[in-house]
Amino acid sequence: NAGVTQTPKFRILKIGQSMTLQCTQDMNHNYMYWYRQDPGMGLKLIYYSVGAGITDKGEVPNGYNVSRSTTEDFPLRLELAAPSQTSVYFCASSSSGNTYEQYFGPGTRLTVT
Amino acid sequence: GQNIDQPTEMTATEGAIVQINCTYQTSGFNGLFWYQQHAGEAPTFLSYNVLDGLEEKGRFSSFLSRSKGYSYLLLKELQMKDSASYLCAVRPPGDYKLSFGAGTTVTVRA
Repeated sequence: NAGVTQTPKFRILKIGQSMTLQCTQDMNHNYMYWYRQDPGMGLKLIYYSVGAGITDKGEVPNGYNVSRSTTEDFPLRLELAAPSQTSVYFCASSSSGNTYEQYFGPGTRLTVT
Repeated sequence: GQNIDQPTEMTATEGAIVQINCTYQTSGFNGLFWYQQHAGEAPTFLSYNVLDGLEEKGRFSSFLSRSKGYSYLLLKELQMKDSASYLCAVRPPGDYKLSFGAGTTVTVRA
């Protein structure tokens, strides 16, 4: 049981490039989330999903897109990368139990130069 | 919406006790979480409070007062490995998403 896995761990992008951050969970969780965390800051929600085929915007969705074709996978797409998107990106998942406790992946550290 | 406040930094000595406060202002409430995050790592779940009172789990305890919009995380018998950021997060009613505070960085000194 690997939990939540993310790839890549690190990436450097040039301004204007695009990339996809991969996220996979093997806990059969319905709910999945993408956060970004800037230095010294809390987690800001980018996008979330309640199940395959259903996604919605969080607090800071601009410049990002997501898809959820399966329960397991929730990729995050960056189009036309900008320096403001330099951050650490965390994917998380939760079940629909009483607490909705979230389990986090190890993160992707992205630098846009 | 949610407005979650917690101190930015705290320093304590190995073996001591530290209390991290979290205050929140929400239009409703359906649970408060504490997460621990070591530098360069992912957050990991510590505790969950939905009713008033103290929840104890080994060296860590979490307290909630819903009427005051207040929680604290108590770390006892501090160890060097407790040096980390501690994130307070609130779940609004009827929702499954969390709103996170900015986190409190705790440094444990020998």
